[in-house]
Amino acid sequence: NAGVTQTPKFQVLKTGQSMTLQCAQDMNHEYMSWYRQDPGMGLRLIHYSVGAGITDQGEVPNGYNVSRSTTEDFPLRLLSAAPSQTSVYFCASSYSYGNLAEAFFGQGTRLTVV
Amino acid sequence: GENVEQHPSTLSVQEGDSAVIKCTYSDSASNYFPWYKQELGKRPQLIIDIRSNVGEKKDQRIAVTLNKTAKHFSLHITETQPEDSAVYFCAASGANNLFFGTGTRLTVIP
Repeated sequence: NAGVTQTPKFQVLKTGQSMTLQCAQDMNHEYMSWYRQDPGMGLRLIHYSVGAGITDQGEVPNGYNVSRSTTEDFPLRLLSAAPSQTSVYFCASSYSYGNLAEAFFGQGTRLTVV
Repeated sequence: GENVEQHPSTLSVQEGDSAVIKCTYSDSASNYFPWYKQELGKRPQLIIDIRSNVGEKKDQRIAVTLNKTAKHFSLHITETQPEDSAVYFCAASGANNLFFGTGTRLTVIP
């Protein structure tokens, strides 16, 4: 098993550009989520999905879109990049819906918006 | 939603000493409390977790305690080693999502 795979590892964007961060898992997990990690602020939930076709907003959803067309994939789209979106992004998956299950993280994407 | 506070933000200990990191949470409905370790440039990885029906759990040098009445839980690392140096995050389940504390950077001085 590869676990949770994120691409790319690094990305530099100009303000206003759009891009998609890819996330795939091969563990047949129902639950997937996206977090951003900023210094001193821990991991904050952006969006999450409890299964194919179902997504919902987390704590900091503005400026991001998600979709879940398959169990395996959960891409995160930045619609119009802003410097405030400079961060490290982690995708995570777990067996069950949120509670009571270990979250497996991808290796992260370091995004810089200039 | 759930609010998780974590202290201290940085912690330095001598090798062989113990380290304690404390977290509080706000949602009394939370019932799952994992701890993650993140080494520099790496992904967070689960090191131990505890569920609300248990007061304490141990795994070798690592232990977690939970006080549901006071809504706080703690991570205890005994006989610290240089490889324990990392950032540690606590988390609490709330509204069917995991909410994380802001992290503790632990440095173990050889």
